[in-house]
Amino acid sequence: DAGITQSPRHKVTETGTPVTLRCHQTENHRYMYWYRQDPGHGLRLIHYSYGVKDTDKGEVSDGYSVSRSKTEDFLLTLESATSSQTSVYFCATGTGTSNQPQHFGDGTRLSIL
Amino acid sequence: GENVEQHPSTLSVQEGDSAVIKCTYSDSASNYFPWYKQELGKRPQLIIDIRSNVGEKKDQRIAVTLNKTAKHFSLHITETQPEDSAVYFCAASRETGGSYIPTFGRGTSLIVHP
Repeated sequence: DAGITQSPRHKVTETGTPVTLRCHQTENHRYMYWYRQDPGHGLRLIHYSYGVKDTDKGEVSDGYSVSRSKTEDFLLTLESATSSQTSVYFCATGTGTSNQPQHFGDGTRLSIL
Repeated sequence: GENVEQHPSTLSVQEGDSAVIKCTYSDSASNYFPWYKQELGKRPQLIIDIRSNVGEKKDQRIAVTLNKTAKHFSLHITETQPEDSAVYFCAASRETGGSYIPTFGRGTSLIVHP
């Protein structure tokens, strides 16, 4: 779907370690987003990007940083992972027009022990 | 900012029955309302959407209605089948400062019993 690849698909790590998740798209979409999905909370926006080196915070950005050095890649970094960041992370892309849907990647299941 | 409420959180129906999921939004400037279906362990995928200049849209067994005055929109699934079992998310979006940021509801888990 829209050529979105997330890596890794699964990761288990320990509290306090840094973690980087990668999202790669082949559709040349201007907008890219990172969400986390937890039971009872739906999809919550962490950060988004509206162009190369242009990023902004979402509603749950604390403890996360992002970078976008190329149109096709959007990285999410947990500088020092905590157990509360155990979640499923979805990357999404979009054209940036308000009447067009987002396209989602397959998700990354992250467990922090 | 925008706030989207989605109800019910769980919906259980018998195969062949209809299912209705409702969402309300707070920002009258929102103008695009997509619905996503997420099967267990899979990605959310768009199933239908509606724009603010349209009151209803249908696609086979799925329909969406929009009431701009009341600021609510609904997903209707007729003749439900077991493969309709999934989590459904509504969203509302508008452009703010040049950025397009949709707001999602918390999801409805639809269970269709054979």
